[in-house]
Amino acid sequence: KAGVTQTPRYLIKTRGQQVTLSCSPISGHRSVSWYQQTPGQGLQFLFEYFSETQRNKGNFPGRFSGRQFSNSRSEMNVSTLELGDSALYLCASSSRGTGIYEQYFGPGTRLTVT
Amino acid sequence: QQQVKQSPQSLIVQKGGIPIINCAYENTAFDYFPWYQQFPGKGPALLIAIRPDVSEKKEGRFTISFNKSAKQFSLHIMDSQPGDSATYFCAASSSHQFYFGTGTSLTVIP
Repeated sequence: KAGVTQTPRYLIKTRGQQVTLSCSPISGHRSVSWYQQTPGQGLQFLFEYFSETQRNKGNFPGRFSGRQFSNSRSEMNVSTLELGDSALYLCASSSRGTGIYEQYFGPGTRLTVT
Repeated sequence: QQQVKQSPQSLIVQKGGIPIINCAYENTAFDYFPWYQQFPGKGPALLIAIRPDVSEKKEGRFTISFNKSAKQFSLHIMDSQPGDSATYFCAASSSHQFYFGTGTSLTVIP
């Protein structure tokens, strides 16, 4: 089975712009979660989608949003970029079954805001 | 508020040594505790996980010890190798929301 894929792998944007990142989960996985990873804050949970619905949301401003499509692929969007948004954005997928919690990460998208 | 506290921040051991990484949590609703290994430039990879109804789980050279009453769990790496040099994250989950520790940078010296 192919793993979680994320595109693009690297991105450079300027302050004030917006960006869209894409994630394709492992085939058959219906849950997709997004995380922001920075050296100072570690791995911070952004949100989780299951069957096109946002189920959980972390403590991030409304500039961060996401969606999930019927094929389970997911996108996250960050509007009005700030320098502090520079981070590795990770997507993780899991198979939502009874008691199944294993979460598998993609390689991430490295976003640099200048 | 850090839901999961991880220590130490960094660890250096000789090849063959047994590094131990510790994590503590407060929320008794957590019911799944995974460990992840991350190499530079890669996403975290699931290493081993445990549920609170068992006190220990072994997979190869990796062992999780779980103390439910103390709300602590730890990762032991037996016979550590230079290839184990990576950052290790513990996590705790409930309702499919994951909270991660701040990570431990492990260096295994040949």
